[in-house]
Amino acid sequence: NAGVTQTPKFQVLKTGQSMTLQCAQDMNHNSMYWYRQDPGMGLRLIYYSASEGTTDKGEVPNGYNVSRLNKREFSLRLESAAPSQTSVYFCASSEGAGEGTDTQYFGPGTRLTVL
Amino acid sequence: RKEVEQDPGPFNVPEGATVAFNCTYSNSASQSFFWYRQDCRKEPKLLMSVYSSGNEDGRFTAQLNRASQYISLLIRDSKLSDSATYLCVVNQAGTALIFGKGTTLSVSS
Repeated sequence: NAGVTQTPKFQVLKTGQSMTLQCAQDMNHNSMYWYRQDPGMGLRLIYYSASEGTTDKGEVPNGYNVSRLNKREFSLRLESAAPSQTSVYFCASSEGAGEGTDTQYFGPGTRLTVL
Repeated sequence: RKEVEQDPGPFNVPEGATVAFNCTYSNSASQSFFWYRQDCRKEPKLLMSVYSSGNEDGRFTAQLNRASQYISLLIRDSKLSDSATYLCVVNQAGTALIFGKGTTLSVSS
């Protein structure tokens, strides 16, 4: 039981490049989330998916798109990377349907640098 | 006013000390409250949920005061392994968790 896995662990992009961050969970959870964590800012929600086939914006969605490919996988895409998107990205999942009342389990994070 | 506020610290304490962290939240409709722990360059992990009646898990005690919109975490008999950042987390509108910026604890021998 791997929990929540994320790929890649590290990535360096040039401004304007695109990339997709992958996330998968093997806990049969309904909800999945993408956060970014910046120094002095705490964790901020980018997008979430309360169930397969649904996605909703979080606090900081601009510049990102997401896909809930199936119940296990939730990807985050940067279409045209900007230096302001340099951050640590965490994927998380929870058993419930996005009510925010249950425990979230986090992946190990992706450290992204945009030059 | 920020939605979840914490004293960033750092709190530097010796082994065996008792240390308390405080957190305030702005949304009076918040329903669920948690403390997460985050080690340096690692992912956050749930430490404990916080219940209205207060709850204890070993050396850790969490309290909630809904009237004052205040949450606390008490750590007794601090260990070196308790060194980490502690995140106060509150749910909002039934859909999203709001994370505080965290309080850093450093326990020294």
